[in-house]
Amino acid sequence: DTGVSQDPRHKITKRGQNVTFRCDPISEHNRLYWYRQTLGQGPEFLTYFQNEAQLEKSRLLSDRFSAERPKGSFSTLEIQRTEQGDSAMYLCASSLTPLNSPLHFGNGTRLTVT
Amino acid sequence: GENVEQHPSTLSVQEGDSAVIKCTYSDSASNYFPWYKQELGKRPQLIIDIRSNVGEKKDQRIAVTLNKTAKHFSLHITETQPEDSAVYFCAAVPGGSYIPTFGRGTSLIVHP
Repeated sequence: DTGVSQDPRHKITKRGQNVTFRCDPISEHNRLYWYRQTLGQGPEFLTYFQNEAQLEKSRLLSDRFSAERPKGSFSTLEIQRTEQGDSAMYLCASSLTPLNSPLHFGNGTRLTVT
Repeated sequence: GENVEQHPSTLSVQEGDSAVIKCTYSDSASNYFPWYKQELGKRPQLIIDIRSNVGEKKDQRIAVTLNKTAKHFSLHITETQPEDSAVYFCAAVPGGSYIPTFGRGTSLIVHP
């Protein structure tokens, strides 16, 4: 079990630029989640995949955000035309099926939009 | 959707004291309740979880209780140690959704 890995760890970008983050889940986990966390808050749900199917998207996820998991393994989260309000820690997590299983989080990608 | 409230936001105790963190949830369909510990600059990690078919679960110095009628659940840490200092998050997961909703977190500070 090598754990959930995320890349990059830190990203600084200028407002209006596009950014893409990658998440590699634990290999046998077929559920993959993206959460966003800001200082002093709990993780906030963004989107969720089971295998390659994106099953749920938060209403908070504007059309500038898109996520993919093309082969049911790694996932990417893209933010287009970044805004300062997008600055946050983006956490990826994976879990097993069936039933509810605990999430295993990655170390996150910290995005700073200047 | 599910809404989880967590209290207190900050909890300061002396080493050896007990600490209790409380959460309430809104969706009666929630049936899985994990707790995560997040140390500064690190990832959240599961410390204990409980399913709705039991009322209490213990693991050494940590216990969680669940009251389904009142829709609240609590984390109890006994004999606190400085290394217990961290932010603790509760979460609730509705059956069939598989999507945890997290509380806002409790910053626990254990003074030596």
